[in-house]
Amino acid sequence: ETGVTQTPRHLVMGMTNKKSLKCEQHLGHNAMYWYKQSAKKPLELMFVYNFKEQTENNSVPSRFSPECPNSSHLFLHLHTLQPEDSALYLCASSQEGQGGETQYFGPGTRLLVL
Amino acid sequence: AQSVAQPEDQVNVAEGNPLTVKCTYSVSGNPYLFWYVQYPNRGLQFLLKYITGDNLVKGSYGFEAEFNKSQTSFHLKKPSALVSDSALYFCAVTEGGGSYIPTFGRGTSLIVHP
Repeated sequence: ETGVTQTPRHLVMGMTNKKSLKCEQHLGHNAMYWYKQSAKKPLELMFVYNFKEQTENNSVPSRFSPECPNSSHLFLHLHTLQPEDSALYLCASSQEGQGGETQYFGPGTRLLVL
Repeated sequence: AQSVAQPEDQVNVAEGNPLTVKCTYSVSGNPYLFWYVQYPNRGLQFLLKYITGDNLVKGSYGFEAEFNKSQTSFHLKKPSALVSDSALYFCAVTEGGGSYIPTFGRGTSLIVHP
């Protein structure tokens, strides 16, 4: 449970605010992920970092900006969000290899955009 | 391309009865298959995975899953359901030698009635 931590756990922001979500993994993994989980929608992969390099960006709007300063930390910077961006944002990590690696998830940040 | 389908949005079962949560997959090569569980207000938690070997995989909390190559399925099972098993269950797939990034199903809500 404490292998991947996320802060804050809950966030309420206005559409003109700027905020950041933080994720930290204590598992020695080299890959980190941001997912968006909205009610009644599939889990959406947003960004993937492997050895601090961004390897995936699934057509995410520019109002979401990821940052990975090292292999243990991942940030998601938020600015001028829309109400439809309200969701649970999940961070995950894994050890990239030949496939078959388990992902370890944080508890998520519940975001509400007013 | 890899994909996974969970045909049931919700499964209802009485406590003490066996449960099955269905998953089918599609990959070009050999599949690596996973089940994750998500309790309310929590991140996803790894239950079990199939990489190779015995088709019957045993995991956490008494869950097991059977890999069936001919039916391209990986159904999750438990002989006797508990009320505490009520949660959201996700099936995921990666492809051996392919991308290490998993594709998740839409999730199945399991409700165990007392």
